[in-house]
Amino acid sequence: GAVVSQHPSRVICKSGTSVKIECRSLDFQATTMFWYRQFPKQSLMLMATSNEGSKATYEQGVEKDKFLINHASLTLSTLTVTSAHPEDSSFYICSARPDRDPQYFGPGTRLTVL
Amino acid sequence: DQQVKQNSPSLSVQEGRISILNCDYTNSMFDYFLWYKKYPAEGPTFLISISSIKDKNEDGRFTVFLNKSAKHLSLHIVPSQPGDSAVYFCAASPESGTYKYIFGTGTRLKVLA
Repeated sequence: GAVVSQHPSRVICKSGTSVKIECRSLDFQATTMFWYRQFPKQSLMLMATSNEGSKATYEQGVEKDKFLINHASLTLSTLTVTSAHPEDSSFYICSARPDRDPQYFGPGTRLTVL
Repeated sequence: DQQVKQNSPSLSVQEGRISILNCDYTNSMFDYFLWYKKYPAEGPTFLISISSIKDKNEDGRFTVFLNKSAKHLSLHIVPSQPGDSAVYFCAASPESGTYKYIFGTGTRLKVLA
């Protein structure tokens, strides 16, 4: 299957700082990438859809100024959590879609905000 | 409003037997369904999918059944192996062309050796 990487895999930061998470499709081009978050023992909740070269589409209830998404190339999307607070601590997972389904997921990033 | 539901949070099955994981959905516009397997602290791994024009799709030990009238799909794993122990998520995609997936809440499968 197609490979998607995420970096970093784990990050701990102080409250008020910003954190950038990278998502890369390694062996295919992805016009569309997705960002999810997962709380412990809960489902994956879609945060936003990231389209190369255009603005991301955010799901209801997700603050676009809080979670900045950039999809600068067909293989890279970044999620920046701005002014992070403890309630932003979560497992963030990206996925990338080749020219057809299914989506392939990255390994996830564990964010802990102190 | 949970559009995709997995009512069994956990399931234990003996090695070699069949594992059946169930998923219900409420939106009749969903036209593509998938199953993913997930280990802790890892991203989901794609297992199998099915289009709404089919009622069955098989890939090795994995078979997905779709009952559109009941808005229900199931994943059968046979024979089950200890390495299958993981959390299984079903997902549904609407017809609108957004390519979004809506995930169920997951079922933790434990295959006992």
